[in-house]
Amino acid sequence: KAGVTQTPRYLIKTRGQQVTLSCSPISGHRSVSWYQQTPGQGLQFLFEYFSETQRNKGNFPGRFSGRQFSNSRSEMNVSTLELGDSALYLCASSLRDVNTEAFFGQGTRLTVV
Amino acid sequence: KNQVEQSPQSLIILEGKNCTLQCNYTVSPFSNLRWYKQDTGRGPVSLTIMTFSENTKSNGRYTATLDADTKQSSLHITASQLSDSASYICVVRGNPYSGAGSYQLTFGKGTKLSVIP
Repeated sequence: KAGVTQTPRYLIKTRGQQVTLSCSPISGHRSVSWYQQTPGQGLQFLFEYFSETQRNKGNFPGRFSGRQFSNSRSEMNVSTLELGDSALYLCASSLRDVNTEAFFGQGTRLTVV
Repeated sequence: KNQVEQSPQSLIILEGKNCTLQCNYTVSPFSNLRWYKQDTGRGPVSLTIMTFSENTKSNGRYTATLDADTKQSSLHITASQLSDSASYICVVRGNPYSGAGSYQLTFGKGTKLSVIP
C-alpha cells in the first residue's frame, strides 16, 4: 500500500512569488492535514481537509490556502512568499475521525531566497 | 492557550541503555495523545496513540504512559539502539465534540535523542 506522497521534495523560490505543493494521501484516506515545520517553532498546524471541505484551520495568514479534490488529493498554496516561509511542509492523511492514525509524507523542503 | 511542553530538549545516551522522555500538556478538552519519531529530513512516524481512558501502550521497545488527571505522558525506550537516534514529538489532539473543542493537533517541540556506541 503506497504511503503519503508529497511533491516536489525540494523547492527554491524568490520572495514575492507563489508556490503550490501537492499531497496524495494513502488510498482510502479522506482526511488530509498540512503542517509547517521550522527549527525554531517546531511543527505547526496549517489546516485540515475532509471530503473536500476545510474542517479546521491553524493560526496562519491568509497567504496560506489549500484545497482538496474529490479523489482526496490536496494542494497547498502560499502566495507572496516571505523569507520566513522557508520550512519543511508536511502533509498527513488519516482514514476518518479524530482517533485514527495520521500518516505523514516525507515533506516538501521550501527555501525562499 | 493549548500547549505541549517536552523535556528534555535533547538527550545523549549510550547504546543499550534505557531512557524516558516527558510530555506535559494543557490541551483541553482532550481527545488523544500521540508520540511520533522523526528522523532528520523525513516525515514523522507514529509510535503510539492513546485516548484519555488508556494508561499505557507499547510498541516494541517503546512504551508510552498517560496520566490524564495530571496531563502528563512519558515515552520509555528500552535497550536503546543507534537507530533510535531521532527527534521524538508529543502531539495532543483536542476534542471537537466538547464545547469549543477543536480537531486541531498541538505539537511539542520534540526531544532530540542521540544514541552513541
